[in-house]
Amino acid sequence: SQQGEEDPQALSIQEGENATMNCSYKTSINNLQWYRQNSGRGLVHLILIRSNEREKHSGRLRVTLDTSKKSSSLLITASRAADTASYFCATDALITHDMRFGAGTRLTVKP
Amino acid sequence: DADVTQTPRNRITKTGKRIMLECSQTKGHDRMYWYRQDPGLGLQLIYYSFDVKDINKGEISDGYSVSRQAQAKFSLSLESAIPNQTALYFCATSDKGWGQNTGELFFGEGSRLTVL
Repeated sequence: SQQGEEDPQALSIQEGENATMNCSYKTSINNLQWYRQNSGRGLVHLILIRSNEREKHSGRLRVTLDTSKKSSSLLITASRAADTASYFCATDALITHDMRFGAGTRLTVKP
Repeated sequence: DADVTQTPRNRITKTGKRIMLECSQTKGHDRMYWYRQDPGLGLQLIYYSFDVKDINKGEISDGYSVSRQAQAKFSLSLESAIPNQTALYFCATSDKGWGQNTGELFFGEGSRLTVL
């Protein structure tokens, strides 16, 4: 079973709008990371948030982490057509350090 | 050259055949991973290795085996391939981040395997 579940499974917005994706996970973690995947390509790291952090920013990305609810969100502001991709969260498990991924959110940004 | 290289990039084989997917990295990372991705789905962890002598099963290790020949090389084998192992396979590497925690993963471009 997947460690994380992402919501929504698919999201379609217009350029300039904000996109919010949510991730829930099951076990205790050291950190949570977000990745982007263009169709069929390798994943690219976007941002890492440690378990003792609540919010982190990187450019147009804002990530939050709520360890009490075992959930995270990724906000992409002022989206562009080039942001069209699948986005995945991944968790670094507390003891074993294995990295497990959620099912992902497919984001489509219409020009 | 890519930091994480997977070979072959595409392979078509028949049920029952033995298949090896290879991964090599030039990043000097100790940690390496093999994932499987089915169409429209996320990645499932098959095996991971923190050094040559430390290999661990992931979520879906049945039907797969691995070999860590050197720090830079991590191979995935399907001893007797079956059609439901048709998928896109990714290798990834990472360094230790803050503390002993996992840092950013760096991915290869994937190996697309079709089992007929």
